[in-house]
Amino acid sequence: GESVGLHLPTLSVQEGDNSIINCAYSNSASDYFIWYKQESGKGPQFIIDIRSNMDKRQGQRVTVLLNKTVKHLSLQIAATQPGDSAVYFCAENGNNRLAFGKGNQVVVIP
Amino acid sequence: ETGVTQSPTHLIKTRGQQVTLRCSSQSGHNTVSWYQQALGQGPQFIFQYYREEENGRGNFPPRFSGLQFPNYSSELNVNALELDDSALYLCASSASSGQTYNEQFFGPGTRLTVL
Repeated sequence: GESVGLHLPTLSVQEGDNSIINCAYSNSASDYFIWYKQESGKGPQFIIDIRSNMDKRQGQRVTVLLNKTVKHLSLQIAATQPGDSAVYFCAENGNNRLAFGKGNQVVVIP
Repeated sequence: ETGVTQSPTHLIKTRGQQVTLRCSSQSGHNTVSWYQQALGQGPQFIFQYYREEENGRGNFPPRFSGLQFPNYSSELNVNALELDDSALYLCASSASSGQTYNEQFFGPGTRLTVL
């Protein structure tokens, strides 16, 4: 399929290591922040979200951290697997519409 | 798989033509949002439909229009196609519950190429 990650910042990570992907957002009024994963030829897939009144939320192998002071969001993936190779987007929600960041490509090295 | 389907998968048009893209929402979802994703970029919000009416619009010209049908499926129409309209067009459905945030489930997209 076509490459979603053309000219994107790329993180290369060894299989089994932890990955950290960062994102800066712009709108202080956003009420939710969401991380999506997009594999080549597919639509974005929901990973995890966090409400603006929280600073940390954990899911299965993933943790999202929110720092409202500096408008920064991060996604931590534990024990990265080959299936985690994809482009990751952060998105901020305002009135049920999403504003996406540019994306980060993660390449898992077996 | 999210249960959101889009057709066609790929489409090639020439400048000045018109195109219609279709989306079937996930069962139980009454809200459909459309996004344009240029190569190497994040998706950009075009507009949202709720109960067959436009419910918010992004920074896109009027030649981008849409419809939502009673079964909550939706169409995106683009008139007078331009080369820059070449992109992946994504549809996302959600279940509106009166909240300002509802998880959006994306379809696989339609890849439009304008020559």
